[in-house]
Amino acid sequence: GAVVSQHPSWVICKSGTSVKIECRSLDFQATTMFWYRQFPKQSLMLMATSNEGSKATYEQGVEKDKFLINHASLTLSTLTVTSAHPEDSSFYICSVRGGNEQYFGPGTRLTVT
Amino acid sequence: DAKTTQPPSMDCAEGRAANLPCNHSTISGNEYVYWYRQIHSQGPQYIIHGLKNNETNEMASLIITEDRKSSTLILPHATLRDTAVYYCIVRVDNGNQFYFGTGTSLTVIP
Repeated sequence: GAVVSQHPSWVICKSGTSVKIECRSLDFQATTMFWYRQFPKQSLMLMATSNEGSKATYEQGVEKDKFLINHASLTLSTLTVTSAHPEDSSFYICSVRGGNEQYFGPGTRLTVT
Repeated sequence: DAKTTQPPSMDCAEGRAANLPCNHSTISGNEYVYWYRQIHSQGPQYIIHGLKNNETNEMASLIITEDRKSSTLILPHATLRDTAVYYCIVRVDNGNQFYFGTGTSLTVIP
């Protein structure tokens, strides 16, 4: 299956700052990537679908101006959390669509102080 | 939205088979059943998927009832490393998004 990496694996930032999370497909060209968020002891919640060369599609209730997604190449998608607040602290996970399956990255732990 | 229901937690003795049930009573004819698992603080890992026939791979077996309204994931010889949250997901094959339900937290006991 596809190998997916995320960077950074964890980040701490101050309230009001912006944080960028990278998702890379290391051995697979991905036209579609997905971003999920997971709060402690909860399931994964799909945030948005990232499409290479076009605008991302956001799930209902996800603020597109706050969570900026860029999918500029077939191997890289980025999620920028703008003006982060403590309630944005979460585990952010990306995935790559490969055929009938999805391959998930290891996740990025964001803590906003 | 998730279309599956699973028990919130289960225990299994090490070396025994772990049988994880999933109900998907509203599954459509073209929707597959997928199973993923998530070990603490990691990304989900693909296990197996199927449409209507039983499936087996090196990790697990998937048993789907004839009416396709429920399925069971079987880990034949559970080990401590199988302790994880197991998610059952239904999705149109070659579709896009996966919507995760609440999953089953499996604890393998020594």
